Amino acid sequence: DVKVTQSSRYLVKRTGEKVFLECVQDMDHENMFWYRQDPGLGLRLIYFSYDVKMKEKGDIPEGYSVSREKKERFSLILESASTNQTSMYLCASSQGQGGQPQHFGDGTRLSIL
Amino acid sequence: GESVGLHLPTLSVQEGDNSIINCAYSNSASDYFIWYKQESGKGPQFIIDIRSNMDKRQGQRVTVLLNKTVKHLSLQIAATQPGDSAVYFCAERHSWGKLQFGAGTQVVVTP
Repeated sequence: DVKVTQSSRYLVKRTGEKVFLECVQDMDHENMFWYRQDPGLGLRLIYFSYDVKMKEKGDIPEGYSVSREKKERFSLILESASTNQTSMYLCASSQGQGGQPQHFGDGTRLSIL
Repeated sequence: GESVGLHLPTLSVQEGDNSIINCAYSNSASDYFIWYKQESGKGPQFIIDIRSNMDKRQGQRVTVLLNKTVKHLSLQIAATQPGDSAVYFCAERHSWGKLQFGAGTQVVVTP
């Protein structure tokens, strides 16, 4: 089975801090994704990557950046955390050019105070 | 704009009955659809998918139906069990790799 591991289940940070969320997958998948999940809004794509050192903006990239230095690891960075970035963050991975299905980690619940 | 939506935010089903979760989509260019199940405290779990050149696909206790004429997708769960209680999301793909998700339907299984 595909395993997508997010480094923290819960995280509390302060406004203005630089925050790193880490995600690792063990299935040698080419594609990795970061979403945020908010009540009533479903999942919204922040960034994705289809290869090492490659990244593409999703639907809501503002205030975020990503890093993919190794195939198995995809990091989401909040450059200067704000309270409106309090959310559940989900990482996913998939293989192949079609990019589906995506397999998700269990999420990081991030609170910005 | 294009959207993926669900008709009912909450679905209450008696244990043993069949469940039907509906989803409407509006992007006729979408070529792939997928259903996920999300239990409390966990990430979405892949259930079943279907490509636009099919109208039905079956898995273990689940069936996905695609009606392209009316842009409608449904997930049928046979003999619903307490473990089926979760939020179910449909999603469509209309550009490479990117899925657009609906807001989700909460399924509650009652004894």
